[in-house]
Order: sequence, then C-alpha cells, then structure tokens
Amino acid sequence: DAGVIQSPRHEVTEMGQEVTLRCKPISGHNSLFWYRQTMMRGLELLIYFNNNVPIDDSGMPEDRFSAKMPNASFSTLKIQPSEPRDSAVYFCASSLTRGGNQPQHFGDGTRLSIL
Amino acid sequence: DQQVKQNSPSLSVQEGRISILNCDYTNSMFDYFLWYKKYPAEGPTFLISISSIKDKNEDGRFTVFLNKSAKHLSLHIVPSQPGDSAVYFCAPQTGANNLFFGTGTRLTVIP
Repeated sequence: DAGVIQSPRHEVTEMGQEVTLRCKPISGHNSLFWYRQTMMRGLELLIYFNNNVPIDDSGMPEDRFSAKMPNASFSTLKIQPSEPRDSAVYFCASSLTRGGNQPQHFGDGTRLSIL
Repeated sequence: DQQVKQNSPSLSVQEGRISILNCDYTNSMFDYFLWYKKYPAEGPTFLISISSIKDKNEDGRFTVFLNKSAKHLSLHIVPSQPGDSAVYFCAPQTGANNLFFGTGTRLTVIP
C-alpha cells in the first residue's frame, strides 16, 4: 500500500531559480497538506486542500510561494524566485477526511537547499 | 505565538523502563491530540491520539493521558525499546483537521 510520495527527495539550486516540489497523496484521501520544517520554526502548515480546493493558505510565507492541486492524485508547491531562507524540509501529508479524528499521513519530505 | 510546547528537547531512558514525554498547550478549542514519531530522513508517522472528551487512551505499549484543566498531555511508553528512539511530536488538532506541532522531544532508549 503506497504512502504519500514526494519528489524530489533532495533539491539544491541557486538563489533566484524556480523550484517545484511534487506530491502524490494516498489514493482515496481527499485532504492534502503542505508543511515546512525549519530549525527555527519547527513544523508549520503552509496550505491545505480539501477535494482539490485550497481551503487555507494563511501559512504561505510570501507571494513567491504558490500551490496547486489539479487533480486528486497530484499537488505541487512552487517557489519563484527562490531565496536562501527558503532552505528547509518540505513535507506533504494527506488524510481521509477533513475534520474528526483522521490522522494525517506524511511523505518523507523534500530537503531543499537554496545557495 | 507558540500554542503547543514540549519543554524537554531530549530524554534518555534505559531499555525496559518507562518513557514519559510531556506536552502543554494553550488553545482550549483543540478537539483531538495526536502524537507523531519521526525518524531521521523520514516523515512523521502517526502513533496514537486521544479525543478531548477522554482522559486516557491506550494502544499496546503506548498510553496517552490528557489533563484538560491543566492543558497538559503526556505520552507513556512502557517498556521502552531501542527502536523507540526517535523524535516525538505532540500535535493537537482543531475540528478543521489543522495540526499544530510542538517542537518535539528526542527520545533515546539505551540498550
């Protein structure tokens, strides 16, 4: 049974470049979440989708960040242009339903380094 | 504004003994309280949860206790095993399924 799949696992790029992170949620899950983990701020929610619709993007740090979910099996998080302070581990998670005691299942993350 | 605090960044316990991990929160509107375990280079893995209307939930070696009046919960692992060595996150959840992660406690179980 496949879990949440994220790609790439590692990304190193230069400042100013566009970065696209990808996520495939667990089949049948209708909520999808993007998190960022840093030493300073820990794990913080960036945005979440329910039935492919963005519900809350208040955690997105700046307009340089954008997320899409074109269908139930794919989501992207894009940073354009990237900056060194965007370096972090980005996690995608999915859950069966929104609300209630439905644990979120996490991918193994993308470690992003902006030089 | 830190809504969830895990004041012990690390904890070391002998194999076979009890591990107790603590978590304090400020928001009285949380509906559920989840614990996640995280190994290096992997995503967090759901471990156990408790509803805000209960004060105890047990699953094998893992028990979570909730004290709503004190806004405090704890995770007990007994007996502790070396494979339990990981970072543990307390993550209260709102009705909208938003998780608020604590800063984590690194547990080391010494063989």
